[in-house]
Amino acid sequence: KNQVEQSPQSLIILEGKNCTLQCNYTVSPFSNLRWYKQDTGRGPVSLTIMTFSENTKSNGRYTATLDADTKQSSLHITASQLSDSASYICVVSINTNAGKSTFGDGTTLTVKP
Amino acid sequence: DAGVTQSPTHLIKTRGQQVTLRCSPKSGHDTVSWYQQALGQGPQFIFQYYEEEERQRGNFPDRFSGHQFPNYSSELNVNALLLGDSALYLCASSLAWRGQGMGEQFFGPGTRLTVL
Repeated sequence: KNQVEQSPQSLIILEGKNCTLQCNYTVSPFSNLRWYKQDTGRGPVSLTIMTFSENTKSNGRYTATLDADTKQSSLHITASQLSDSASYICVVSINTNAGKSTFGDGTTLTVKP
Repeated sequence: DAGVTQSPTHLIKTRGQQVTLRCSPKSGHDTVSWYQQALGQGPQFIFQYYEEEERQRGNFPDRFSGHQFPNYSSELNVNALLLGDSALYLCASSLAWRGQGMGEQFFGPGTRLTVL
């Protein structure tokens, strides 16, 4: 069964600190992996997308890494801001069709002043 | 350029009732997918509409049905509501690649459905 496991489930950090969120998956075959940011009560917004051949992708203060061999990905947030408080969801797809994507349950990040 | 819009924002229903949720895709998009997101969980794929037809379906009962209109907007209907249907319902739109899947999905803000 295709699964996406994210850790930790929740995380609290102080403003200005860095943090790393983890995503392990068993989805196969692999097409791409996305990280989304979802603010409370809002829809997810894509942060990064990586295909099999990519092992790192940055979007401002967000840097995602991918190890397709171990089926692990991480999202690193540098110099956190209060606005980074949100749920971060890892999504792994076997192709580009919506029904072939598996969503993780997300990591809830709280940034405190 | 308006993004994906959904209505209503919030909805309260009682068990056994029926509900209709609406979605307007991002300008230029022709494919609409619906997701159910329970509190503390990731979105679960319900179904996808393209060219006014249901093209893919997730593991949801027939109580969940949908429709896509010629202007690409879409509706999600849920009959005989259960308490467990309480969730955030997300709509996502994309542009289909002919015979090869679709481009990036853009999500709407969701409709929060509460079933009492």
